[in-house]
Amino acid sequence: DGGITQSPKYLFRKEGQNVTLSCEQNLNHDAMYWYRQDPGQGLRLIYYSQIVNDFQKGDIAEGYSVSREKKESFPLTVTSAQKNPTAFYLCASSIVYSNQPQHFGDGTRLSIL
Amino acid sequence: AQSVTQLGSHVSVSEGALVLLRCNYSSSVPPYLFWYVQYPNQGLQLLLKYTTGATLVKGINGFEAEFKKSETSFHLTKPSAHMSDAAEYFCAVTPANQAGTALIFGKGTTLSVSS
Repeated sequence: DGGITQSPKYLFRKEGQNVTLSCEQNLNHDAMYWYRQDPGQGLRLIYYSQIVNDFQKGDIAEGYSVSREKKESFPLTVTSAQKNPTAFYLCASSIVYSNQPQHFGDGTRLSIL
Repeated sequence: AQSVTQLGSHVSVSEGALVLLRCNYSSSVPPYLFWYVQYPNQGLQLLLKYTTGATLVKGINGFEAEFKKSETSFHLTKPSAHMSDAAEYFCAVTPANQAGTALIFGKGTTLSVSS
């Protein structure tokens, strides 16, 4: 079955440490997205990419970085510059320039040790 | 700029009662509108979408929503709540001329269903 796989499901970060969240899709979608979810705040866009080797900042990109070397993969790195990284992170993908909806992975919950 | 307002962060209903979750949007161009549901510690699942055509759209699990352009609303309803409907619900919008770009989400409404 086609879908989006996020790993790990739970992740812990120490002070000053960078951590990378994995997102892989086999839906053949061109566009991929990273959202951050905090209680009562909905989903906020961190980064998105519509094509390999290109990506755009979202509303809350500071302290995060991404790469898009393959169509199927869009990893997110939470750097030590992100001072409040505890949140639920969701990856999504979609067809570009289409009325089709975004498909979501099951998320990664990041906590600080 | 687009925005979404979900009225009521928490809605409680009894099993068998009508479910009404409110969503108002702001968009300078025709919008595409979506409702998603999220169960604890899971991703979002699409309930239904409006893009063009019929303004009353039906989705999964007995939910439906009506696009009202004059009221800039896209409220979600279900005639009879079931215990399994307890979850968090998100309304989202994207401009039709930017389809396939990022969605703008509301802050979510948590639905509780009591027996």
